[in-house]
Amino acid sequence: EIVLTQSPGTLSLSPGERATLSCRASQSVSSSYLAWYQQKPGQAPRLLIYGASSRATGIPDRFSGSGSGTDFTLTISRLEPEDFAVYYCQQYGSSAYSFGQGTKLEIK
Amino acid sequence: EVQLVESGGGLVQPGGSLRLSCAASGFTFSSYWMHWVRQAPGKGLVWVSRINSDGSSTSYADSVKGRFTISRDNAKNTLYLQMNSLRAEDTAVYYCARDSSEIVGATTTRYFDLWGRGTLVTVSS
Repeated sequence: EIVLTQSPGTLSLSPGERATLSCRASQSVSSSYLAWYQQKPGQAPRLLIYGASSRATGIPDRFSGSGSGTDFTLTISRLEPEDFAVYYCQQYGSSAYSFGQGTKLEIK
Repeated sequence: EVQLVESGGGLVQPGGSLRLSCAASGFTFSSYWMHWVRQAPGKGLVWVSRINSDGSSTSYADSVKGRFTISRDNAKNTLYLQMNSLRAEDTAVYYCARDSSEIVGATTTRYFDLWGRGTLVTVSS
């Protein structure tokens, strides 16, 4: 089973700042099967990025994804108030799926 | 409207059973793989199970293998999760999610692009 470890656990930033979230896999992950989701309290997760770097429909271009192998990054170029939420990375491989434990992005 | 709506959650005693449903609308349900994902109170997302588009192939997380069964009725546009031998650690909000794929160059990506709002399952005596 591939374990995804996200860092930091909590990130405290101000609106307008740049956020960099990390997702590290215990073994190599196909970039095609690496996705990022945003979840706000009381809501279902929302797809942000798939295939490591492709933005989902309707996602603003301040969100970008990068990486390959075991190291992946979600970057939010300039934080808006609505971006403060929990972010999860997810991978698919060998008929099993796994999520990282999440990074909480909070207002400083 | 394209949506997924879960139902069937509730309070159940340890060792009991429950069947969750997920009603799909607004898209061709029979064309998509589907998943169940759960989230314990205050915790992260955990993948539970997957079924392919015609129901002929399934997979499960180790934590639920042998206790949970995923199925679907494409005529009714509905996904199910039969949960038996429930434990306190199965307490969670259960989401159904649609698995979409896209061909990018020579590879196929997969991702969960549509989620329901979830249904809460509480296992307690």
